[in-house]
Amino acid sequence: GDSVTQMEGPVTLSEEAFLTINCTYTATGYPSLFWYVQYPGEGLQLLLKATKADDKGSNKGFEATYRKETTSFHLEKGSVQVSDSAVYFCALPNTGFQKLVFGTGTRLLVSP
Amino acid sequence: NAGVTQTPKFQVLKTGQSMTLQCAQDMNHNSMYWYRQDPGMGLRLIYYSASEGTTDKGEVPNGYNVSRLNKREFSLRLESAAPSQTSVYFCASKAFSGEHNEQFFGPGTRLTVL
Repeated sequence: GDSVTQMEGPVTLSEEAFLTINCTYTATGYPSLFWYVQYPGEGLQLLLKATKADDKGSNKGFEATYRKETTSFHLEKGSVQVSDSAVYFCALPNTGFQKLVFGTGTRLLVSP
Repeated sequence: NAGVTQTPKFQVLKTGQSMTLQCAQDMNHNSMYWYRQDPGMGLRLIYYSASEGTTDKGEVPNGYNVSRLNKREFSLRLESAAPSQTSVYFCASKAFSGEHNEQFFGPGTRLTVL
C-alpha cells in the first residue's frame, strides 16, 4: 500500500547550517507529494508541494525535488534559522485520493 | 477568513465520559477529515467526509463517530472515552477530491482521558 518513510529525529542544527530531511515513498503511479510543517502548539500547514516527477517545490527557502527514480522527496534548506524549529511531515495522497498518507514526522531543532 | 476552526482547544475527560469535538471551515470546501496525532506515529485518519452527506471510516475509527452537519461543519464524537484516546485531534478540509489539492488544518484539540 501507499506509505511514506521519513528519517528519525530530532535533527539538531546550529543557525545557518544546511538542512536535509529525507523522505522516501511507496505508491501506485506518480502521485503529488507534499511537505507540511507544524510549529509548536499549532496545526499543520502546507510548506511546499510537487505534482509530477522532476518538479521542484519551493517556499520560504525550502526546496524539495520529486525523484521518481529513487522514489524520494527530500527537503532541503541552505541556511536554517531558529524560527524553522518545527516538526516536518512528508505526505502523499493514497490511491483513490481520499486521504493523505503521512510520514511519522521529523523534529528540527535549530539553536542560535 | 478564519480557515478551519476547532473547539475546544483543551479537554480533560474521565474514562467513560462522552464529548463532541467541533470543527468548522469557511472556505466552502467539500471534503473534511479528522486525524489524531500521537508521538512517533504521525497523523492517523479517523474518519473523513468526501462531500456533504457522506462519511467514511479511516484507519482508526473504533470508539468514534462523526456527523457532517452541513457543508461547513464536521463533528467528532467520543461516546465512552478511554485513556487510549488521549491524543491531539486535528480537523482538516480540502476543496474537492483530487490528488493535487492541499488539506488545510485546524489548530487542534488536546484531549486527555484519565
